[in-house]
Amino acid sequence: QVHLVQSGAEVKKPGSSVKISCKASGGTFRNYAVSWVRQAPGQGLQWMGGIVPVFGTTNYAQNFQGRVTISADESSGTAYVELSSLRPDDTAVYFCARDYYSDFKHDAFDLWGQGTMVTVSS
Amino acid sequence: DIQMTQSPSTLSASVGETVTITCRASQYINNWLAWYQQKPGKAPKLLIYKASNLESGVPSRFSGSGSGTEFTLTISSLQPDDFATYYCQHYISFSYTFGQGTNLEI
Repeated sequence: QVHLVQSGAEVKKPGSSVKISCKASGGTFRNYAVSWVRQAPGQGLQWMGGIVPVFGTTNYAQNFQGRVTISADESSGTAYVELSSLRPDDTAVYFCARDYYSDFKHDAFDLWGQGTMVTVSS
Repeated sequence: DIQMTQSPSTLSASVGETVTITCRASQYINNWLAWYQQKPGKAPKLLIYKASNLESGVPSRFSGSGSGTEFTLTISSLQPDDFATYYCQHYISFSYTFGQGTNLEI
């Protein structure tokens, strides 16, 4: 059974960058897209962007354009999100999630990582 | 960008009751709509996809309906385990937006 396993919690200074990983344990990302979703404390879910690892195609939410980079290493079944120019309001739990990608169509997120807490504080 | 508006934001109910949550899309999304359940400190869990299809392993008391711009999630005969926050999400093309969430409380 496939699990998405994310890297551990991070504490960062304002202005720095953070890179979080998401590994498909027991499987691969073939036939799937991977998205990153964040949730600030007490707030809702916010899609940041995603990647189709087999093609390397990415798409980013407008709110994060220019600050976020999503990448993937298909051979190791790992996806990454890097967020730069961190601000205190980037403090949130960051989730990866996969959706089935076929015939250029996406699907709902059927599998999620456990979440990674990122704290931005001076 | 497509906006998703959920109502109500908070819903109070009792065990055994039936509740309905509504989600409205700012433009036509056909049936590319999912519903998720999230409990504190946990990742969201997929309940419904393509507006009305029950994800494997999800109890049949959960049901979804709608198409176009108006969608509903109905939970029949509420169980104690159902008290959580629920989100709708559209997934038309390679872009996703979540509703703001509905907190279902006892």
